[in-house]
Amino acid sequence: EAAVTQSPRSKVAVTGGKVTLSCHQTNNHDYMYWYRQDTGHGLRLIHYSYVADSTEKGDIPDGYKASRPSQENFSLILELASLSQTAVYFCASSGTKSSGNTLYFGEGSRLIVV
Amino acid sequence: GDSVTQTEGLVTLTEGLPVMLNCTYQSTYSPFLFWYVQHLNEAPKLLLKSFTDNKRPEHQGFHATLHKSSSSFHLQKSSAQLSDSALYYCALSDRCNQGKLIFGQGTKLSIKP
Repeated sequence: EAAVTQSPRSKVAVTGGKVTLSCHQTNNHDYMYWYRQDTGHGLRLIHYSYVADSTEKGDIPDGYKASRPSQENFSLILELASLSQTAVYFCASSGTKSSGNTLYFGEGSRLIVV
Repeated sequence: GDSVTQTEGLVTLTEGLPVMLNCTYQSTYSPFLFWYVQHLNEAPKLLLKSFTDNKRPEHQGFHATLHKSSSSFHLQKSSAQLSDSALYYCALSDRCNQGKLIFGQGTKLSIKP
């Protein structure tokens, strides 16, 4: 079974503060993703990466940065956290392009910005 | 751009009745379609995905048929169980950019005894 771990699992942050969400995978997968989950919006892609030291913008990248220092690690950075960024964030990984793209998700990180 | 639409936000059914969750999509190219399931306080996980040879995927009693003519990939099950209560996401990946998965808004399925 694929393994994706996220930290922290839960965090309360102050408006304007910096938040870093970390993700580690042991699947030897090329692709890694950050999604946010909001009721009524489903899962929306923030950033993704298909190789170390490179990241791509997803559908809602504004207010977020990403970093992929190695194949195993992918971080999501909120430089200036805002109330609207309160959500659950999921990291995921997937293998090569063959046969479609099965994502393996981490357990999620619940972020509350106050 | 590509998109996935799930029209029902909440579906409530009595145990034993058939399940059908709707999913329609828009895509420039012929995509792969997926259903993911997320139980309460758990991570989303793959339930089933479309095949390139148009076989009907099935898993845990659920099945879905890809209809290219109507751009649909509805999820069905003949008899609902209490344990089927969860959040269900339909998703697609573009065959030309398979690294990117686009999800629908999700449908919460609630099964009552």
